[in-house]
Parts: sequence; C-alpha cells; structure tokens
Amino acid sequence: SQQGEEDPQALSIQEGENATMNCSYKTSINNLQWYRQNSGRGLVHLILIRSNEREKHSGRLRVTLDTSKKSSSLLITASRAADTASYFCATASGYSTLTFGKGTMLLVSP
Amino acid sequence: EAQVTQNPRYLITVTGKKLTVTCSQNMNHEYMSWYRQDPGLGLRQIYYSMNVEVTDKGDVPEGYKVSRKEKRNFPLILESPSPNQTSLYFCASSDRGNYGYTFGSGTRLTVV
Repeated sequence: SQQGEEDPQALSIQEGENATMNCSYKTSINNLQWYRQNSGRGLVHLILIRSNEREKHSGRLRVTLDTSKKSSSLLITASRAADTASYFCATASGYSTLTFGKGTMLLVSP
Repeated sequence: EAQVTQNPRYLITVTGKKLTVTCSQNMNHEYMSWYRQDPGLGLRQIYYSMNVEVTDKGDVPEGYKVSRKEKRNFPLILESPSPNQTSLYFCASSDRGNYGYTFGSGTRLTVV
C-alpha cells in the first residue's frame, strides 16, 4: 500500500537555487525518511526524522515534519548539478516495514 | 567496505524458468528486505526478514519466495517467473529495523 506521496513529481531548477519537495502520508508513523536515487541505481539514505521531531538538518538538507497535517518537506539549499536525482520519502509505521512514495525527479541545470 | 551486494545486475529469462537473485550484506544487519521498483508505482516491498529464519510478506509477495538461513544472505526466489515480474529489484538491510536502510545496486530482471 502506498503511504507517502511526493509533490511535485518533477522539479527543474538552476544551480545555486533551493529545491523543496513535499511528502504527504495517510496514517500515523514512527519516523519518516528521505532517500536519493541516481538514475536506476540503489537508493541512498539521506536523513531520518522521528515523529516527535519537527525539524532536522544535515549539511545542505533541511527536513520538516508536521504530524498534524501528515506532511514533510525536504529542502536542499544551494543546489548543485550533482544533486540531480530522484528523491523518495519513506514512512515507517511498524517495526520492519518501510513504505515509499513514488518520488520527485529533481533536475539541477548548470 | 560496508555494502549490500546483489547478483546478477541484469537478467533476461523466459517465462516459467526458476531463478534466484542473491543478496548478501557484510554489516551484520538483522533486518533485510526486498523491493521492486516499477515506473509510476515507486518502490513496493515484496518480503522482509527481521532475523535468521524470520520472514514476512510485504505488499506484493505473490510469485516470490525468500529464505533467511544465514544472517548475511537473503535470496529472492521466483519459482515460475512471469512477464509481470519484469522489474528493477532492490535488496536492503538495516541494523535497527526502520531506522535507515542500506540498498544494493539493483537487479534489472526481464521475463519474456
């Protein structure tokens, strides 16, 4: 069952701009994670935010979580061409099941 | 290097011919999982395992089998592959359940 839904489906920006992606989900969660995938390769874990946290930072990444609205956002500041990838949110409700959204394709042009 | 290794990377097979996709991790992780990725559908979980000899179904288990006889290995078995199992498959592992998974590089399977 699909839990997270990312928005927008695709995003195109210039290098140096900020990129914001949103994720909405339906049921209560233990944590929410963001992953990056480069063109058909394996996913890479970026950041995890727990249900009792509201904001988290890691380098140029900033994640927010609003459990009342069942939504999260991922902000990438000062984007680089190397940030071009698909970004997925994943929600953890149980202990072992991670449910992924369909992803946002980010294109950063030089 | 800490990693999840899947083999093969690419596989073309015919309908009905049994196949196994291997997955091995060298991080002593307890949790392992298989996903398939299809255009427009994102990643969907096939099976997962919380420890040796403990496995459970994910969202799309039909047509697949798994086993977890050793901690490091979690093979995915397609007893009688069909064209609707053509997909990109990922194995992943974690040491703390749902607190961040390490993914393999993927296996692109085509069933004709």
